Amino acid sequence: GAGVSQSPRYKVAKRGQDVALRCDPISGHVSLFWYQQALGQGPEFLTYFQNEAQLDKSGLPSDRFFAERPEGSVSTLKIQRTQQEDSAVYLCASSRVPGLASNEQFFGPGTRLTVL
Amino acid sequence: DQQVKQNSPSLSVQEGRISILNCDYTNSMFDYFLWYKKYPAEGPTFLISISSIKDKNEDGRFTVFLNKSAKHLSLHIVPSQPGDSAVYFCAASDPSGGGADGLTFGKGTHLIIQP
Repeated sequence: GAGVSQSPRYKVAKRGQDVALRCDPISGHVSLFWYQQALGQGPEFLTYFQNEAQLDKSGLPSDRFFAERPEGSVSTLKIQRTQQEDSAVYLCASSRVPGLASNEQFFGPGTRLTVL
Repeated sequence: DQQVKQNSPSLSVQEGRISILNCDYTNSMFDYFLWYKKYPAEGPTFLISISSIKDKNEDGRFTVFLNKSAKHLSLHIVPSQPGDSAVYFCAASDPSGGGADGLTFGKGTHLIIQP
């Protein structure tokens, strides 16, 4: 399809394991965002890429979280030494134009991460 | 502290009537506001937005009203239809460069349209 896709859709990890979550944005979209949505909460901003450049990582909760977008298209969010509080849905969104977050963002279906 | 607040976790409305979803914000640097709709197991989808230079934006059955002095916005859906049953998120952005580059979301309101 032409939308944002994410894989895997569901991931169960044991505490202490590393996980990698993938996002395929809409082709040609310059901006890519990662959000974390805990149960009963709204999405919370993690990090923002403009093409391959990570321009804002102010929302990453700890240095265990790392994101990359090496070729300016697919992005990977990596969480090292997962903890139970990392359990959440991780949403990826892309936008056609760079810069302002006010531009409409297209969201993927999310990856639900459960850390046991 | 929550900068975008949706104080009603859920709202039940009869089909055909008007649904009004409310949102309050505290950050005066926000100048663009969006509403997203979310079905279970799907990502949020964009519904309607409004710039702070306007006080109303209408798109079909959906109208968003902005009251800057009260730091309050609302989404009106009329008439409400069964397919409108979903979680609605209010979101805001601060493009001044002083805030994060992402959207700031409320916790959402679960709208239930009853037949």
